[in-house]
Amino acid sequence: AQTVTQSQPEMSVQEAETVTLSCTYDTSESDYYLFWYKQPPSRQMILVIRQEAYKQQNATENRFSVNFQKAAKSFSLKISDSQLGDAAMYFCAYRFTQGGSEKLVFGKGTKLTVNP
Amino acid sequence: KAGVTQTPRYLIKTRGQQVTLSCSPISGHRSVSWYQQTPGQGLQFLFEYFSETQRNKGNFPGRFSGRQFSNSRSEMNVSTLELGDSALYLCASSLGQPGDTQYFGPGTRLTVL
Repeated sequence: AQTVTQSQPEMSVQEAETVTLSCTYDTSESDYYLFWYKQPPSRQMILVIRQEAYKQQNATENRFSVNFQKAAKSFSLKISDSQLGDAAMYFCAYRFTQGGSEKLVFGKGTKLTVNP
Repeated sequence: KAGVTQTPRYLIKTRGQQVTLSCSPISGHRSVSWYQQTPGQGLQFLFEYFSETQRNKGNFPGRFSGRQFSNSRSEMNVSTLELGDSALYLCASSLGQPGDTQYFGPGTRLTVL
């Protein structure tokens, strides 16, 4: 069964510092996609970054980057120059095809606090 | 482009009642997926609709059902509500192709008393 594990229920970081959120997943698939979503207190789930498993190059979106280690099934998110607006729940998600349809499996989330 | 919209944003119901939630996807998106989010279970997949057909279903009882219309709008229905159905219900839309990014709506907060 495909599972996603986020081992850090809560993390905190000082404004302007860097923080890394961990995510591991379990799969026997070779073709899949990985995502990080952010859910602020307003509840809207927002896409932060996505990674195709077939790409070796780590995805980057401005201050957000990932460290994708396919063999280790690890997909961590690094937030550089943290801002107060980065405070939110962060969910790691794994997307794969099963029975002709796409499924998205989420981790339990990491609550990130940004201290001024 | 307008984002995914969900109505209503908040609902309060009592046990035994039924409820219908609505989701309008991003224009051009043909796939709509529904998720239930609770503090204890996290985000759990309910079902996915693509071109008016249910393409996949999660492990939820038959009280949870849905449908999709020709304009890709989707509704989710929960019958005979239980206290444990209190949750945030999120819908997400995508083009429906392998690896597509799903874009989420703001959610409907359902409280069952």
